[in-house]
Amino acid sequence: QKEVEQNSGPLSVPEGAIASLNCTYSDRGSQSFFWYRQYSGKSPELIMSIYSNGDKEDGRFTAQLNKASQYVSLLIRDSQPSDSATYLCAPPAGYALNFGKGTSLLVTP
Amino acid sequence: GAGVSQSPRYKVAKRGQDVALRCDPISGHVSLFWYQQALGQGPEFLTYFQNEAQLDKSGLPSDRFFAERPEGSVSTLKIQRTQQEDSAVYLCASSLFSSSYNEQFFGPGTRLTVL
Repeated sequence: QKEVEQNSGPLSVPEGAIASLNCTYSDRGSQSFFWYRQYSGKSPELIMSIYSNGDKEDGRFTAQLNKASQYVSLLIRDSQPSDSATYLCAPPAGYALNFGKGTSLLVTP
Repeated sequence: GAGVSQSPRYKVAKRGQDVALRCDPISGHVSLFWYQQALGQGPEFLTYFQNEAQLDKSGLPSDRFFAERPEGSVSTLKIQRTQQEDSAVYLCASSLFSSSYNEQFFGPGTRLTVL
């Protein structure tokens, strides 16, 4: 199984700040990456996908991919308490997804 | 439109019982995946279907686990002679095509507790 590493956290940020979530992966062949958000007791919800090097922005979310460094990150601007959740990084493994353990984010009012 | 649905949402089984978990994917989605998620862990892949064909079952933890998708839509994950270590959330996901670029959409999961 290819490795996907995420800091488990919890990462605590104040409301309105930028939250930065990081993920490293071992499979140099990975071409696509997905970020999922998972609230406690709920199933994963897709929030971002990124396929090429650089940044991709969607509302308050920005995904950054650096294939040479095998590193992908997710930035959440203007963090809200409703962003408190576990964020899962998921490069593909074949057609399936190879999930990291997730980073727990806590946004404090 | 309707998302992925799963039933039952919760299942309690006595050790040794057989259980069947159902997944109804998004209409028209070719690919269907089963994952197992233990507490505090990310989902782990179990098996994958492209239409009715089970193309990858490398993640099934033992021969007590069996999955099918006979008509290429609804899928059933069956666990025979359940053990306590089978307690987990079982997630089903579907995607429109068969591609590593394709986004997967998850159902609400079935929480299985084996006593």
